[in-house]
Amino acid sequence: QVQLVESGGGLVKPGGSLRLSCAASGFTFRDYYMTWVRQAPGKGLEWVSYISSSSGSTIKYSDSVKGRFTISRDNAKNSLYLQMNSLRAEDTAVYYCARDALVPGLYFDYWGQGILVTVSS
Amino acid sequence: EIVLTQSPGSLCLSPGERATLSCRASQSVNKNYFAWYQQRPGQAPRLLIYGASSRATGIPDRFIGSGSGTDFTLTISRLEPEDFAMYYCHYSASPPYTFGQGTDLDIK
Repeated sequence: QVQLVESGGGLVKPGGSLRLSCAASGFTFRDYYMTWVRQAPGKGLEWVSYISSSSGSTIKYSDSVKGRFTISRDNAKNSLYLQMNSLRAEDTAVYYCARDALVPGLYFDYWGQGILVTVSS
Repeated sequence: EIVLTQSPGSLCLSPGERATLSCRASQSVNKNYFAWYQQRPGQAPRLLIYGASSRATGIPDRFIGSGSGTDFTLTISRLEPEDFAMYYCHYSASPPYTFGQGTDLDIK
């Protein structure tokens, strides 16, 4: 069955960095676009970034993270990553990785359990 | 950027009742890229409806999606105890993908 498992979260000081990972299994990872979505405590869902399938040549970011976050993938390791630099208090959230539909953008059909990132001094 | 506005913000109903949740887009959208998600406390979101009206795998037929243009509706025909949760609409034709602010469906 499809599984997505995030790791790498934790407490980091403002201005610091963190790298999230998402380990995928149960499907042909390279065939799918992958996405990061976050949710601040008590708030709604916010799309963060996506990366295209195969080579990952197409990448998009929300304006709130552009220039600070970098999404990447390693198809050999069935893994998705989110490198987060220059972290701010407002980046505090649960971060979910999600699998896009085979036709990109239609929907996110599988989600990880989420990983908490806390940015605080 | 498309803005999605959900109403009501919260809804209190009893099991067995019918729930009607609305989502309005700031401009006409391609319904193929419109979806609804359910999120129970402490859990990840779960895809309910895609393409505005198609149920995702394993979703009971009491969940009904409808709408086009700027106005979309999620109807839950008869509420079960496990249906009390947050519901988000979502549009993802082109980035930035957007979510509505959510409707909190509470048990009365």
